[in-house]
Amino acid sequence: GESVGLHLPTLSVQEGDNSIINCAYSNSASDYFIWYKQESGKGPQFIIDIRSNMDKRQGQRVTVLLNKTVKHLSLQIAATQPGDSAVYFCAAPAIVFGPGTRLSVLP
Amino acid sequence: NAGVTQTPKFQVLKTGQSMTLQCAQDMNHEYMSWYRQDPGMGLRLIHYSVGAGITDQGEVPNGYNVSRSTTEDFPLRLLSAAPSQTSVYFCASSYGVGYGYTFGSGTRLTVV
Repeated sequence: GESVGLHLPTLSVQEGDNSIINCAYSNSASDYFIWYKQESGKGPQFIIDIRSNMDKRQGQRVTVLLNKTVKHLSLQIAATQPGDSAVYFCAAPAIVFGPGTRLSVLP
Repeated sequence: NAGVTQTPKFQVLKTGQSMTLQCAQDMNHEYMSWYRQDPGMGLRLIHYSVGAGITDQGEVPNGYNVSRSTTEDFPLRLLSAAPSQTSVYFCASSYGVGYGYTFGSGTRLTVV
């Protein structure tokens, strides 16, 4: 089955810097990936998704990159703000979630 | 449009008690799922449903039952609560496997 995992459980960045959160997956047949953001005390919230026929997709201040060769995807957050502090999960089509990366934004 | 609504938000049970966590969505989503989230861990799938009348087990189904009699509702039943079921439970729904999930705000359950 599918499994996904994130490379780092925690990430601290200075306010205004760019953040990069990484995720690896095991099933090369996976064709759809999603990034979620979970703030303290709340449910996960959809941020951005990408399908396997794309290498890159951009949203507002967020970009997801997909490297199918090494089965890796990343979430880039531009000009990180205090409101970006949360746990970020990647998910694969079989509704599998990685353990999450906690992003802390330092003033 | 309320999205995914979970009730109750908080619940304390005694060991051996049973209860039902309610989940309802008003987006006409076919897919619905229940997850549990324990401290420092990711979301683990308990049960899921791909449409009314169809349910299946996820990663950690033991001690839980579900049913899907309507598209809107997907209740989760704890048959005989155990302290190991102390967790935060999230319900989620989606149009299908190729779409993102909308999550409810969660139910924090404590079993003493």
